[in-house]
Amino acid sequence: DVQMTQSPSYLAASPGESVFISCKASKSISNYLAWYQQKPGEANKLLIYSGSTLQSGTPSRFSGSGSGTDFTLTIRNLEPEDFAVYYCQQYYEKPLTFGSGTKLEIK
Amino acid sequence: EVQLVESGGGLVQPGRSLKLSCAASGFTFSNYYMAWVRQAPKKGLEWVATISTSGSRTYYPDSVKGRFTISRDNAKSSLYLQMNSLKSEDTATYYCARHRTTDYPMDAWGQGASVTVSS
Repeated sequence: DVQMTQSPSYLAASPGESVFISCKASKSISNYLAWYQQKPGEANKLLIYSGSTLQSGTPSRFSGSGSGTDFTLTIRNLEPEDFAVYYCQQYYEKPLTFGSGTKLEIK
Repeated sequence: EVQLVESGGGLVQPGRSLKLSCAASGFTFSNYYMAWVRQAPKKGLEWVATISTSGSRTYYPDSVKGRFTISRDNAKSSLYLQMNSLKSEDTATYYCARHRTTDYPMDAWGQGASVTVSS
């Protein structure tokens, strides 16, 4: 199985700042990597797929980079609605696997 | 608007069975693969099952293979998850999700149904 190691598990930042979330795969997954946002009481939202392609509706302050085994989710100029939990997921092979999540909180 | 609404969750004893349903609307259900993903309390996301558009192909991780069965009724735009021989570690919120195939991410999710396995 492809293990997805996400870091940090917890991140505190202020509105207007930029943050970076890392996701490392245990083997090369090409660019078969997605990022999701999870908020209490809301449906999970796909933000980015294919490592760097923004899903329709995702604000441009979100960006994704990387390929192979190392990926990064960048959120620039944080807005209050961005404070949530973020997960990466590989869909290169089955079983589909997720990172352990990064909780982004307001400092 | 794409909507996925899960139902059928609840409290069940270990070893018993439970069937979840997911009602889909706002898109052509029969054109999409569908999946179940779960999240144990205070834990991360875990893929549980995927079914092809026609229902002829199903995929599971080892953790549920042989105990869980995913199925669909395209005429009713509905997805199901039959869970047998439930264990305490199956306690989780179960989400219904849509993807084009397993080579694509899940681009729509429901809000989840809670399943608690306890005596």
